[in-house]
Amino acid sequence: QKEVEQDPGPLSVPEGAIVSLNCTYSNSAFQYFMWYRQYSRKGPELLMYTYSSGNKEDGRFTAQVDKSSKYISLFIRDSQPSDSATYLCAHSTRTGNQFYFGTGTSLTVIP
Amino acid sequence: DVKVTQSSRYLVKRTGEKVFLECVQDMDHENMFWYRQDPGLGLRLIYFSYDVKMKEKGDIPEGYSVSREKKERFSLILESASTNQTSMYLCASSFGGRAQETQYFGPGTRLLVL
Repeated sequence: QKEVEQDPGPLSVPEGAIVSLNCTYSNSAFQYFMWYRQYSRKGPELLMYTYSSGNKEDGRFTAQVDKSSKYISLFIRDSQPSDSATYLCAHSTRTGNQFYFGTGTSLTVIP
Repeated sequence: DVKVTQSSRYLVKRTGEKVFLECVQDMDHENMFWYRQDPGLGLRLIYFSYDVKMKEKGDIPEGYSVSREKKERFSLILESASTNQTSMYLCASSFGGRAQETQYFGPGTRLLVL
């Protein structure tokens, strides 16, 4: 079983839609949860991170962690064509000595 | 802005060659990382370093070694390249303390081993 499971998609939505991206993880010792965005032919860039459970909002993006169900979500409101990218979830232990990425979900927002 | 640069965007090497991938960061970060990214497998950690001359194995260190002689530079070495090491290699760096909090990635090196 992979440490982090993520549906690879591809996911295609019309502009303005609400996008929901999800991951599940298996090890409850992991406490830091991150979302990275990776444009084609570029390295990943950190989008958001959360510690432990709860929600974190940044503009059109909301990251949500449910530790009881080991579920990580990223919501994108009012999606834009510029949001078209691959989104990677990741998590790590508190000390950062173990960290794992999901395989990434490819998102296309159609104008 | 943090900048992480990698020495090559594309490399083609032959089986058995020794390959050096260089990574440089300009933000005085303590932590540096090497990943490989493959379709369907995502990002996998090869090695990371918390300080100069310090290294720790990640999940898939076999066939690789690293060198960190200076704080800003972290090198990945493929001692004897094999075709299964064809991949996208990504370098990242972050501040000290909570290592995973913010990792900044380079543009990646696409390596093809023939």
